[in-house]
Amino acid sequence: KAGVTQTPRYLIKTRGQQVTLSCSPISGHRSVSWYQQTPGQGLQFLFEYFSETQRNKGNFPGRFSGRQFSNSRSEMNVSTLELGDSALYLCASRRGLAGNSYNEQFFGPGTRLTVL
Amino acid sequence: KNQVEQSPQSLIILEGKNCTLQCNYTVSPFSNLRWYKQDTGRGPVSLTIMTFSENTKSNGRYTATLDADTKQSSLHITASQLSDSASYICVVSAGTGTASKLTFGTGTRLQVTL
Repeated sequence: KAGVTQTPRYLIKTRGQQVTLSCSPISGHRSVSWYQQTPGQGLQFLFEYFSETQRNKGNFPGRFSGRQFSNSRSEMNVSTLELGDSALYLCASRRGLAGNSYNEQFFGPGTRLTVL
Repeated sequence: KNQVEQSPQSLIILEGKNCTLQCNYTVSPFSNLRWYKQDTGRGPVSLTIMTFSENTKSNGRYTATLDADTKQSSLHITASQLSDSASYICVVSAGTGTASKLTFGTGTRLQVTL
């Protein structure tokens, strides 16, 4: 069974630009979550999508947005990039939204975004 | 506010030695606790998961313990190997159903040297 895939793996942008990251969940998983990871802050939750609807949202500005398609694939968009947006962006998928032990979250390899 | 604190922040040990990483949490209502291993530049991979009623769970050389009364967990690594060099992240799940929330610790960075 293929794992969570993310594209691209690496990305370099300049301030003010926008970027779109893509995530394909494990087959059968309907929930996709996005995280930002920086050395100082650790993993910070961005948002979670389930059945094409945003179900949970972290404390990030409106420049960060996402969507989910009918095949559960998800995209994350960051507009007007700032230097502080440089980070590893991780996508994770799980079967459903339930927080029980049977609903494990699997992470993708991440997209390394560098903003110059 | 739900919080997960991990200690130490970083650790250097010699290959073959044992080590223990700590995780303290204030998360309510507690559902389960996971330990993840994250290699540099890669996504986290689950090592163990424990629910309220479990106090020990092993995965090879990794053994996690949970004390639900004191809200503490530890991850013990036995006979460390160079490949154990990674960040270890404690994640606590609160609530059940669609209202569940995950709280992440900032991780412990482990370096195993010769």
